Amino acid sequence: SAVISQKPSRDICQRGTSLTIQCQVDSQVTMMFWYRQQPGQSLTLIATANQGSEATYESGFVIDKFPISRPNLTFSTLTVSNMSPEDSSIYLCSVEWATEAFFGQGTRLTVV
Amino acid sequence: EDQVTQSPEALRLQEGESSSLNCSYTVSGLRGLFWYRQDPGKGPEFLFTLYSAGEEKEKERLKATLTKKESFLHITAPKPEDSATYLCAVQGMSNTGKLIFGQGTTLQVKP
Repeated sequence: SAVISQKPSRDICQRGTSLTIQCQVDSQVTMMFWYRQQPGQSLTLIATANQGSEATYESGFVIDKFPISRPNLTFSTLTVSNMSPEDSSIYLCSVEWATEAFFGQGTRLTVV
Repeated sequence: EDQVTQSPEALRLQEGESSSLNCSYTVSGLRGLFWYRQDPGKGPEFLFTLYSAGEEKEKERLKATLTKKESFLHITAPKPEDSATYLCAVQGMSNTGKLIFGQGTTLQVKP
């Protein structure tokens, strides 16, 4: 299986600021995925990050708000920009390994 | 549009009382159906992947089955430590890697 480490595990941020979340995988993977889980809700895909190319964003998510970097095959970052209280969620990194999909422990973000 | 619906939203069981969780899905070509367990404050923990109708997989007290329209997660003689939210997700042939999740079923097992 793939082991995924996310940093930070949680943060409380002021509105209008930005937070960068890091995701490190213990194996080289082609695609990495960023999901959002709003309070009491299920997971929604934000974007797919491929190494060496621009991230692909899902409907309702834009690069200016959620810029993503993918500098190599084991690492990615997601930035939540110009935060508002509506951005308070759990943000999760995921990878596909063999036929399974694994998730990090998530970053619990609270915007005040 | 790919869609996943889970029922019930919440389920309370007594320890040892077996039951089933349902996951109904519509997808344009199923690549895989995934079951996860999620504990509060943690990321989803992978349980099973099912690929074709008729397939079954088991792990301890859990057994997942798949038809062309739905999947069931059967829990046999549950214990309090099985209390968690169980998530179902599908991956379509045209959406490599992308998972569409249901809302989840929150299971509480009382001793």
